[in-house]
Amino acid sequence: QKEVEQNSGPLSVPEGAIASLNCTYSDRGSQSFFWYRQYSGKSPELIMFIYSNGDKEDGRFTAQLNKASQYVSLLIRDSQPSDSATYLCAVWYSSASKIIFGSGTRLSIRP
Amino acid sequence: ETGVTQTPRHLVMGMTNKKSLKCEQHLGHNAMYWYKQSAKKPLELMFVYSLEERVENNSVPSRFSPECPNSSHLFLHLHTLQPEDSALYLCASSQERGRNTEAFFGQGTRLTVV
Repeated sequence: QKEVEQNSGPLSVPEGAIASLNCTYSDRGSQSFFWYRQYSGKSPELIMFIYSNGDKEDGRFTAQLNKASQYVSLLIRDSQPSDSATYLCAVWYSSASKIIFGSGTRLSIRP
Repeated sequence: ETGVTQTPRHLVMGMTNKKSLKCEQHLGHNAMYWYKQSAKKPLELMFVYSLEERVENNSVPSRFSPECPNSSHLFLHLHTLQPEDSALYLCASSQERGRNTEAFFGQGTRLTVV
């Protein structure tokens, strides 16, 4: 099993709809979870982080964490064409003292 | 400005050249990373330094040689590269301990090997 797993996509969502991105991880001891957005040819930028079970909202973004099921998700409400990018899930692996990234999900918002 | 600065932003080098990529972080972090990202491919972790000690080397060829002289600086020395090494090389830093362990990336160095 990959340490951090994401569906590579592409995920196509109509403008204005909700985009849902999912990520699973293998280390039960992980405490910190991050979502990064990467535009083509650019470096990843941090958009959300979550440490506790439940939901965390920031503007149009909501991160959801379920430690028992070992998954973390990102919801993007009122999707805009500018949201089209690759979204990377990252997990802090305390057992290895490093951040592990998933391979990313490519999101495309169609007008 | 993310607090992580990489130079140069673009580099074209021949297969017989020797060059170095530089990364500097101003965030007080104690862990630094080198990633490689080839076109339309996911991030590949190359090296991890924690407290200036190399803690991971992900089977990277010896033509890539990292150096971490202190917690703020990270280098990637390149020699006798191959065209398939052309990629975006990203540096990142994070705090090794505590909750705020998110990684911040530099803008990357776009490397082309000719």
